[in-house]
Amino acid sequence: SYVLTQPPSVSVAPGRTATITCGGNNIGDKSVHWYQQKPGQAPVLLIYYDSDRPSGIPDRFSGSNSGNTATLTISRVEAGDEADYSCQVWDRNDLWVFGGGTRLTVL
Amino acid sequence: EVRLVQSGAEVKKPGDSLRISCKTSGYTFTDTWIAWVRQLPGRGLECVGIIYPADSDARYSPSFQGQVTISVDRSVKTAYLQWSSLKASDTAMYYCARRHSSHEAGDFWGQGTQVTVSS
Repeated sequence: SYVLTQPPSVSVAPGRTATITCGGNNIGDKSVHWYQQKPGQAPVLLIYYDSDRPSGIPDRFSGSNSGNTATLTISRVEAGDEADYSCQVWDRNDLWVFGGGTRLTVL
Repeated sequence: EVRLVQSGAEVKKPGDSLRISCKTSGYTFTDTWIAWVRQLPGRGLECVGIIYPADSDARYSPSFQGQVTISVDRSVKTAYLQWSSLKASDTAMYYCARRHSSHEAGDFWGQGTQVTVSS
C-alpha cells in the first residue's frame, strides 16, 4: 500500500512562513491534495493538483510537488491558520490515501 | 450551493447494526463519486471506500473490505455507510465527501457523524 509521511507538528511565529512536507515514493508522479482541519470541524480542501487553490482560499497557501516530497507553504501565517493539515493522493488500490496529518501551532 | 448533510450522532452496543447517511444537494448526484472517510479519536483521516452513484459501483480500501457496506439511493440523492455488527474499534467520526469530477480531491464534505460503540 502507498504510504504518505508527514511531520506530526510544525511551529511558526505569526507573520512568518510555515512549510509542511508530505513524503511518498515518487510522489512527484502523483497529484497531491491538501486539507485543513480545525478542531471539531470537517476537513476543507486547500490545494488540489499539487498547487491549485479552490475559490475562496487565500493565496498565502501554496503547494509544490517533486521527487519524493510534496510541500504545503503558508506565507504570512496568522493565528487563524492553527489547524491540522493533511496531504492526500489517489491510489488505485487504497483509493484516497492520506498522510498522518501535521498539527500547525502558531506561537 | 453544494451541500452534504450527514445523519446525527449514534451510540450503539457491540454487535448492533447501523446505517448512517449523507444527503446531497446542489449538484447532479450521479455525476461524481462519494467517499466515506474515518477519523479515529485524535488520529488522521482514512478512506473507508467510495461509490459512484450512477451505477452503485462501490470500492473499498483493503482495511475496510468486508467490514462495511456503502450504498446509495438515487431517488433521495443520499449515500449510506452501514455495519452489520459493530465493534468498539468502529468508534470514530465518519465523514462523507464529494470527489471532484476532474481533480479527484474531496471538494465538499459533510459535517461528520460520530459513531460510538460501547457496552
